[in-house]
Amino acid sequence: EVQLVETGGGLIQPGGSLRLSCEVSGFTVSQNDMNWVRQAPGKGLEWVSRIKPGGRTDYVESVKGRFTISRDGFQNTLSLQMHSLRPEDTAVYFCAGWAGDWCWGKGTLVTVSS
Amino acid sequence: QFVLTQPPSASASLGASVRLSCTLNSEHSTYAIAWHQQQPEKGPRYLMKLDSDGTHYKGDGIPDRFSGSSSGAERYLIISSLQSEDEGDYYCHTWGTGFAVFGGGTQLTVL
Repeated sequence: EVQLVETGGGLIQPGGSLRLSCEVSGFTVSQNDMNWVRQAPGKGLEWVSRIKPGGRTDYVESVKGRFTISRDGFQNTLSLQMHSLRPEDTAVYFCAGWAGDWCWGKGTLVTVSS
Repeated sequence: QFVLTQPPSASASLGASVRLSCTLNSEHSTYAIAWHQQQPEKGPRYLMKLDSDGTHYKGDGIPDRFSGSSSGAERYLIISSLQSEDEGDYYCHTWGTGFAVFGGGTQLTVL
């Protein structure tokens, strides 16, 4: 059974850093396109970042230079390192990827506020 | 810039059919998309991948009531025999070299 479980969310002050993790079971992270998608309160889905099997990484313009996506092949996990966090980064962050079908995690809430 | 345009809202009666649209830029009319459903207070759920020729590949467990079609730069999600649990937000999503993008979503109300 495919499962994606995000951890690491919480309340952080503007300018702070946070690292999100996603534990994946049922398919291999390093062999599939893996993404982070976020949803601000009351808003729609926004794609944030992707890492491809070959290692190429892509980001939405608003997080370039602040967020870094990575993966651990041994632990089969996906991560998102977030720096210089802003109030507008407040959202539920979903881990998601193509494993035949597109698979979603349940999300973790990041709140950036003083 | 790649943009997916969805009408913000739609409504249809219980038991009826509804067609939700997602419009790509004309220069990107050959791109495949995916459709996702988000019921109130729940996380998103993958429905299907939809190619430019209308071929669609549904996710596991997605009922036959859900189907897709394509016409030029338009991608459609068709839901027949509407049920109350179909109420929620529907998002289209596409991807390519260096990017991925979601449409703004359509809020579906089942009357």
